[in-house]
Amino acid sequence: DQQVKQNSPSLSVQEGRISILNCDYTNSMFDYFLWYKKYPAEGPTFLISISSIKDKNEDGRFTVFLNKSAKHLSLHIVPSQPGDSAVYFCAATTITGAGSYQLTFGKGTKLSVIP
Amino acid sequence: DVKVTQSSRYLVKRTGEKVFLECVQDMDHENMFWYRQDPGLGLRLIYFSYDVKMKEKGDIPEGYSVSREKKERFSLILESASTNQTSMYLCASSLWQGRGTAFFGQGTRLTVV
Repeated sequence: DQQVKQNSPSLSVQEGRISILNCDYTNSMFDYFLWYKKYPAEGPTFLISISSIKDKNEDGRFTVFLNKSAKHLSLHIVPSQPGDSAVYFCAATTITGAGSYQLTFGKGTKLSVIP
Repeated sequence: DVKVTQSSRYLVKRTGEKVFLECVQDMDHENMFWYRQDPGLGLRLIYFSYDVKMKEKGDIPEGYSVSREKKERFSLILESASTNQTSMYLCASSLWQGRGTAFFGQGTRLTVV
């Protein structure tokens, strides 16, 4: 059963506009949420994160919003640039029995920013 | 900069072969992970390790094993490769309490024929 869901496989946005990528989760034990960005033929790179005790985190053009009651988070990119075209993965962490954590990913959303 | 290095970018192996995928990180991270990425399925966790000689199963461990004899090195082993193990394999590392901020290698594209 998929615990982190990204229901939109792809998204196209005009350059300069806002990109909104959505993510839903089912496990209430998740305590930290992250977004990763992946270009073809490269490994994912960390983009931005948010603790479950917050509802917003901002870093430059990137803002992540968390709605715990709805078990929903979103990534806003403003303004979108062609270099933002990539696959974006939503991820969440849970603490393991050994005291470390496990990182669970969604299926990803491919963002295309059109010049 | 943190560097996670996977030994091969591309591998082609025959069905039934034993396959070793090697991963080395240079930042003294406690945690190391192996994922596979498949179209439409995203990144799925195979195994992870939070210390030398320690390992935990992820979501899809069947057909795989791992080895962590040294802190910087985490190996993924396909005991008897099968065609359904054709995939992109990604290694990652992070601090013990890195809160999910993992650093990934460039990936190994494995094809089993």
